[in-house]
Amino acid sequence: QITLKESGPTLVKPTQTLTLTCTISGFSLSASGVGVGWIRQPPGKALEWLALIYWDDDKHYSPSLKSRLTITKDTSKNQVVLTMTSVDPVDTATYYCAHRRWRKFYFDYWGQGTLVTVSS
Amino acid sequence: QSVLTQPPSVSAAPGQKVTISCSGSSSNIGNNFVSWYQQLPGTAPKLLIYEAAKRPSGIPDRFSGSKSGTSATLAITGLQTGDEADYYCGTWDSSLSAEVFGGGTKLTVL
Repeated sequence: QITLKESGPTLVKPTQTLTLTCTISGFSLSASGVGVGWIRQPPGKALEWLALIYWDDDKHYSPSLKSRLTITKDTSKNQVVLTMTSVDPVDTATYYCAHRRWRKFYFDYWGQGTLVTVSS
Repeated sequence: QSVLTQPPSVSAAPGQKVTISCSGSSSNIGNNFVSWYQQLPGTAPKLLIYEAAKRPSGIPDRFSGSKSGTSATLAITGLQTGDEADYYCGTWDSSLSAEVFGGGTKLTVL
């Protein structure tokens, strides 16, 4: 059974760095073809894809946020970490991590999401 | 401004059929598979349709997807009140090298 769970701060001050962790179970981050992505959703707004990392450490980033994002994985801890620098109130959103397979253009399992508020 | 265009809202009566469109371009829908997600109020998105027309296990056949050129369509038949949700289309954009989503469509079952 594949599950993902996001964790991180609920409140972050503007200009700070946000670090979110996705803890996975039911699959291995080192298994061929496995990928994990991050997607966010501001309150009342649409989904926005942020980043994606594959088992072979291939990484992809949203062009509009690439300079502020870093995605990494720790296979031994079954975790995928997303860091976002210089946060702003517009980054207030629910952040989701989701499972994906290589060359499969969809996210088939999603975490429950974690709400992050950026405010002073 | 989303790369993929969806109508903001659609509505229909219980038991009826509704369709939701998703319009893109040759760099996304035109050359890659489309997926659809259902997001019930207060919950995470759930995969509804993948590779334009396939359903994951457990998704009823009332939900179907199709694609033509640079557009895709989600159809829901036999509408139920429990289908009230936001629906999003998504795909990979080869020019942007990015996953893109539509702006979402709110379905109201009257």
